[in-house]
Amino acid sequence: NAGVTQTPKFQVLKTGQSMTLQCAQDMNHNSMYWYRQDPGMGLRLIYYSASEGTTDKGEVPNGYNVSRLNKREFSLRLESAAPSQTSVYFCASSVRQGFNYGYTFGSGTRLTVV
Amino acid sequence: KQEVTQIPAALSVPEGENLVLNCSFTDSAIYNLQWFRQDPGKGLTSLLLIQSSQREQTSGRLNASLDKSSGRSTLYIAASQPGDSATYLCATTNFGNEKLTFGTGTRLTIIP
Repeated sequence: NAGVTQTPKFQVLKTGQSMTLQCAQDMNHNSMYWYRQDPGMGLRLIYYSASEGTTDKGEVPNGYNVSRLNKREFSLRLESAAPSQTSVYFCASSVRQGFNYGYTFGSGTRLTVV
Repeated sequence: KQEVTQIPAALSVPEGENLVLNCSFTDSAIYNLQWFRQDPGKGLTSLLLIQSSQREQTSGRLNASLDKSSGRSTLYIAASQPGDSATYLCATTNFGNEKLTFGTGTRLTIIP
């Protein structure tokens, strides 16, 4: 099925461990995003990529790095996980549709840091 | 910096009732506003998009309104059904910027 695929769906890390969240889309969208969702705070933008080879910081980038490997893939890396990074992470992509943009979201990765 | 708030955080209503979800934003210079639905364990699905020049949009039992000057949007759901139970999020974009700024969400439960 066409869409945004995130792996893994669940992960438990110990404080200080590192990991990479993977995201891939097969819709030929130019822009991709990483958001985190915490209770009572909605989704907050971590990083954004407008095209292959470009990335920009969002609202909450500290503690994260990203890599836009190619047009399809946008990965999020936690170098040294902290309990404050316990959250649900969503990857999304977008494409221009007339004067607006259409967005497609992945189903999320639930990360717990203990 | 745009801040988007949704009140209440949770809402339970009996099946069949009409209901209104609220969204407020601090910066009225928006390009558009969208309402999304989020089901547990799934991604977000776009429900309605309102351009800054529009006052409302309708899709089936859903009607979204926008009052830019007061920084408010509402999502009206008519004749609610148990299948409407989900979290509803509003999000804005600004001119020249495709990034979404999300509200805090309202978790809706329709009681059969």
